[in-house]
Amino acid sequence: NAGVMQNPRHLVRRRGQEARLRCSPMKGHSHVYWYRQLPEEGLKFMVYLQKENIIDESGMPKERFSAEFPKEGPSILRIQQVVRGDSAAYFCASSLRPLTGDSNTEAFFGQGTRLTVV
Amino acid sequence: KNEVEQSPQNLTAQEGEFITINCSYSVGISALHWLQQHPGGGIVSLFMLSSGKKKHGRLIATINIQEKHSSLHITASHPRDSAVYICAVRIRERAQKLVFGQGTRLTINP
Repeated sequence: NAGVMQNPRHLVRRRGQEARLRCSPMKGHSHVYWYRQLPEEGLKFMVYLQKENIIDESGMPKERFSAEFPKEGPSILRIQQVVRGDSAAYFCASSLRPLTGDSNTEAFFGQGTRLTVV
Repeated sequence: KNEVEQSPQNLTAQEGEFITINCSYSVGISALHWLQQHPGGGIVSLFMLSSGKKKHGRLIATINIQEKHSSLHITASHPRDSAVYICAVRIRERAQKLVFGQGTRLTINP
């Protein structure tokens, strides 16, 4: 049972390009969370998705960022027209049930994607 | 003021020492996580607590709900324990948004 898989591990983009970050949750998990870790800062919530639905995107920047979790395939975090300030580590986590409910539900994290904008 | 505060921010110790990392929070929570992050690496979940104490190998985590405080202890520390340790809480009203501390950077010298 593979854990949460993120790819690529490292991504370099020039300013103005698009970045696509992928997250395959653990088998059977239908709840996905994206977090961003800016250099020298703590992790911050970005978005919570269930299959085909965005549940909470209150942590997403209003422009250039979007996320999806289609019926088939991985969750995608998409950043359009990247800027230097987007350089960060982006982590995905998944859970079997919503974290909002049962306090015994665990979230499992991926290895992260380190985005560098040059 | 951050909702989750960790101390110390940095900790250097000698191999074999007993390590304590603290986490204080200011909100009502449903659970607290301790996570480990190696340099350039992913995040590993060490513990999830809603009350009491948990032990796994040389790691012990405790939580005091009334005092809004948790500690992570490492016994017989080893250089491979060197990592950033992160406390994260599930706030009752918005549990899907884990709120993270800034992390404690631990270095264990041989």
